[in-house]
Amino acid sequence: EAQVTQNPRYLITVTGKKLTVTCSQNMNHEYMSWYRQDPGLGLRQIYYSMNVEVTDKGDVPEGYKVSRKEKRNFPLILESPSPNQTSLYFCASSLRAQGHQETQYFGPGTRLLVL
Amino acid sequence: QQQVKQSPQSLIVQKGGISIINCAYENTAFDYFPWYQQFPGKGPALLIAIRPDVSEKKEGRFTISFNKSAKQFSLHIMDSQPGDSATYFCAASTNQGGKLIFGQGTELSVKP
Repeated sequence: EAQVTQNPRYLITVTGKKLTVTCSQNMNHEYMSWYRQDPGLGLRQIYYSMNVEVTDKGDVPEGYKVSRKEKRNFPLILESPSPNQTSLYFCASSLRAQGHQETQYFGPGTRLLVL
Repeated sequence: QQQVKQSPQSLIVQKGGISIINCAYENTAFDYFPWYQQFPGKGPALLIAIRPDVSEKKEGRFTISFNKSAKQFSLHIMDSQPGDSATYFCAASTNQGGKLIFGQGTELSVKP
């Protein structure tokens, strides 16, 4: 089944404890992206990648890192999480490099609580 | 200038009625305008999208109206059904870079 998977789905952590949220797609998509969703703010893009080893900042990249070493994986790294990073996170992918201009397929989301 | 402003924040419509959600933007370089639908506990899914070379696009009960001069676009849901109850997001992007800018979202509730 073609899909975008995220792990974990739920995570409770404490301030400063490094964590990684994994994202994987099995559709051979070139474009991948991370978003956070907060009430009243909609979805905000954190980072995106148009191909392997090509990543760029979205609108809210502070406090996050990403890497794209393989086409299928795009992990989101929080080196030192803070409570303001408590949010619902979505990974998405799209077939071509210009994924921001075509259908994006979203994962199921990861709900993160930073205490 | 990169913002997309969406209204209303929430909307209650009777079954069979028309739901209308509006979005406005400032960046005239935006040239792709998708709408995403999100059910509770799920990720967003593309509903319908439009490019500025047309003023309207219809897919079933869903229609996007686009007004380039006013820098506004809207989603119309005809004959709204309880199954349409979801959160709707408009978005916009340019053909440069890789950013997709979302609106704030509208929570639609269709009452039976």
